[in-house]
Amino acid sequence: AQKVTQAQTEISVVEKEDVTLDCVYETRDTTYYLFWYKQPPSGELVFLIRRNSFDEQNEISGRYSWNFQKSTSSFNFTITASQVVDSAVYFCALSEWTSNTGKLIFGQGTTLQVKP
Amino acid sequence: DVKVTQSSRYLVKRTGEKVFLECVQDMDHENMFWYRQDPGLGLRLIYFSYDVKMKEKGDIPEGYSVSREKKERFSLILESASTNQTSMYLCASSPIEEPYEQYFGPGTRLTVT
Repeated sequence: AQKVTQAQTEISVVEKEDVTLDCVYETRDTTYYLFWYKQPPSGELVFLIRRNSFDEQNEISGRYSWNFQKSTSSFNFTITASQVVDSAVYFCALSEWTSNTGKLIFGQGTTLQVKP
Repeated sequence: DVKVTQSSRYLVKRTGEKVFLECVQDMDHENMFWYRQDPGLGLRLIYFSYDVKMKEKGDIPEGYSVSREKKERFSLILESASTNQTSMYLCASSPIEEPYEQYFGPGTRLTVT
């Protein structure tokens, strides 16, 4: 069965600290996509990144970076020098490739609070 | 700019009422989804639709039905609202081609009293 686990329910940091959000997934598919979404207090999920299973290169976008490791089935997300505006709920998701329906399987979400 | 809109941000209904939640997308996407979001449970798929008049049950379809008469519109129906359906409801759409990125609406926070 496919599954996404975000073991950290809540994280609280002080502004300018670095923080890593963990994501572990399970799938039997050899081809799949992984996603990270951000849900600010306004409620709308905002797409941050996708990674396909054949591309294990880490990615950096400004203060955000992602570490994809197939060997450990993990797709972790790091925010460097966190800011108050980073406070949100973050979701990791896995595409259900074999069904070809575009369905995503979401983790439980990690609530990040960045204090000034 | 891509857009998924939902008819209400906040809704309060009484137990037993029939509730309609509307979702409209302007991206000509084939796939549309309804999720509910509860603390500690993440997003759980209620129903999805991959074409007009086509629908499939998700993980928690009980107590819900859906309607998709036009490509851009996907409605979630609570036939007889109950207090355990108090939740945040999120609609999303995606193209039929990979990588299947989903675009979300702002959500409807439904309270059933």
